[in-house]
Amino acid sequence: DQQVKQNSPSLSVQEGRISILNCDYTNSMFDYFLWYKKYPAEGPTFLISISSIKDKNEDGRFTVFLNKSAKHLSLHIVPSQPGDSAVYFCAASATRSGYSTLTFGKGTMLLVSP
Amino acid sequence: DADVTQTPRNRITKTGKRIMLECSQTKGHDRMYWYRQDPGLGLQLIYYSFDVKDINKGEISDGYSVSRQAQAKFSLSLESAIPNQTALYFCATSDSRLAGTTGELFFGEGSRLTVL
Repeated sequence: DQQVKQNSPSLSVQEGRISILNCDYTNSMFDYFLWYKKYPAEGPTFLISISSIKDKNEDGRFTVFLNKSAKHLSLHIVPSQPGDSAVYFCAASATRSGYSTLTFGKGTMLLVSP
Repeated sequence: DADVTQTPRNRITKTGKRIMLECSQTKGHDRMYWYRQDPGLGLQLIYYSFDVKDINKGEISDGYSVSRQAQAKFSLSLESAIPNQTALYFCATSDSRLAGTTGELFFGEGSRLTVL
């Protein structure tokens, strides 16, 4: 049973527009959420995170929103740039346990066209 | 130089062969992980180790084994490789001092394994 779901395998956006990547989770124990970005032939790299005590976290062009009641989070990229084209993974952990590992979604491939 | 180094980066082998993928890190992190990526399936956890004497199975440990030789080294073995183990394998590290706040993993560049 998939605990972290990214239902859109791909997303195409024009340069300068907003990209919105969505993620849903089922495990109510998850209290920390992260987004990773992956280019071809490279390992995933950390992008932005959010704790369950917040509903928004912003870092430059990247903003993550968390809706705990809906068990949903989204990553907004504004404005989108061609260099943002990559696979984005949503991940979640239950940090209060102290022995938590990250559970990843299947990823969404973002293509930003000029 | 990469903080998390995986060797080999690419390997082609035959069914039934024993394969070892190695991971070393210079980040000084205590926790290390092995993930597998298949197209459309995201990253699945194979094994993880929270310190040198700690080994834990992940979601998909069958057919794999690991060894934590030192805090900086974590190897993944396929005792008898089979074609459905063809995948991209990632080693990752994290720092337990940050685990309660970030849970952030740092990944290597990946090892592409093809089993014929």
